[in-house]
Order: sequence, then structure tokens, then C-alpha cells
Amino acid sequence: QAVVSQEPSLTVSPGGTVTLTCDSSAGAVTSGHNPYWFQQKPGQAPRTLIYDTTNKYSWTPARFSGSLLGGRAALTLSGAQPEDEADYYCLLSYSGAWVFGGGTKLTVL
Amino acid sequence: QVQLVQSGSELKKPGASVRVSCKASGYTFSEYSMNWVRQAPGQGLEWVGWINTNTGNPTYAQGFTGRFVFSLDTSVTMAYLQISSLEAEDTAVYYCVRNKGYWGQGTLVTVSS
Repeated sequence: QAVVSQEPSLTVSPGGTVTLTCDSSAGAVTSGHNPYWFQQKPGQAPRTLIYDTTNKYSWTPARFSGSLLGGRAALTLSGAQPEDEADYYCLLSYSGAWVFGGGTKLTVL
Repeated sequence: QVQLVQSGSELKKPGASVRVSCKASGYTFSEYSMNWVRQAPGQGLEWVGWINTNTGNPTYAQGFTGRFVFSLDTSVTMAYLQISSLEAEDTAVYYCVRNKGYWGQGTLVTVSS
């Protein structure tokens, strides 16, 4: 089974830009892995921000965007807000089998 | 709008069984598969598996075969996760997650003597 890796923690200044990445031990991440990005705040269920690499939901703030970057899936936050402080998880699909990354704790400071 | 509403928290003794339900609404139930995800206290997300809501065929992730069973009642658009022979290590929040990223609110299952 592939292992999906994320940065354990990142810090961004308010108004700043940060990119979170999602790496696969099985090789380059492609759109075929249908990358998802989830945000989870303490005591809450995860909320999906991005699906299928780049697609957003109506509730996804415009400052979040998804992409593929150097063989990884990426979530870029442009113009960080205090309320963006949370845990972020990526998910990759391997022929229908989901594998979550370990999560990135994002601090806005 | 798409909604997934799960059953309430459960407190069970080791060796018991539990069934978690997930009521889906706001879309055609059979058109999207349903996944189950586990989150142990203070830990990350772990995929338990998924069920094809059209055929009822389940697929279980490694480590979740045998004691974990997915089922459906399509007449009431419900998905179920049953866990038997509960162990303390099964203590976690269990989420149903519709394909394309819609989450239930989670069900806390606590296993304690």
C-alpha cells in the first residue's frame, strides 16, 4: 500500500501565502489519483475544500486552490486568515482505494 | 442540498458489537458510493473502506476485514457500518463520506469496560 506524505506543520503570516503538498511513495501524483484536500478544525468533522485536484465547492473560500506541482498534489492558500488555522489532510485514490496523508497542522501567526 | 446524518455516540464494552448509521438525502443515493473513515482520538484520518450503493458490493481497507461490515437499506437511503468483537483500539469517531467529498458529522464510538 502506498504511503501519502504531507508536511507535519507549517506556519504562515496573516495575509501571506503558503503551499501544502501531498506526496506519494508510489511515484508522481497525477490527476488519476483524484486528489482531495480537507480542512479540519478542533472538534469538527473534516470539510472538503478541493476534489479531483482543482475543483472547489460553493463553500470553498476563493483563497484556496488546488494543483499538481512537481509530481505532488498541492493546496495553496493565498491571503491567509486567522480562521484558516486548522489541520489539512490530503487524500489520494489508488484504483478506488483511498489513502490519507498524515495531515499538516497549519498555524497562522 | 446533500446531507449525511449519522447516528449518535455509542459506549460499548469490549467484545460487544455496534452499528453506526448514515442517513443520506439531497441526491440520488445509488449514484454515489459511500466510504467510511475512522479517526482515533488525536490521530489522523484512516480509510475503512467503501460500499457500492448501486450493487451493495463492499470493499474493505487493509486491517478492516473480518470485524467490519458495510450494509445498505436503499429503501430509506441509509448506509451502515457494523463493528463486531469491539476492542479498545476501535475507540474513534467514524465518518460516512459520500464520493466527491460530502461528510457526515461523525459518530463517536467508545469501547471501555
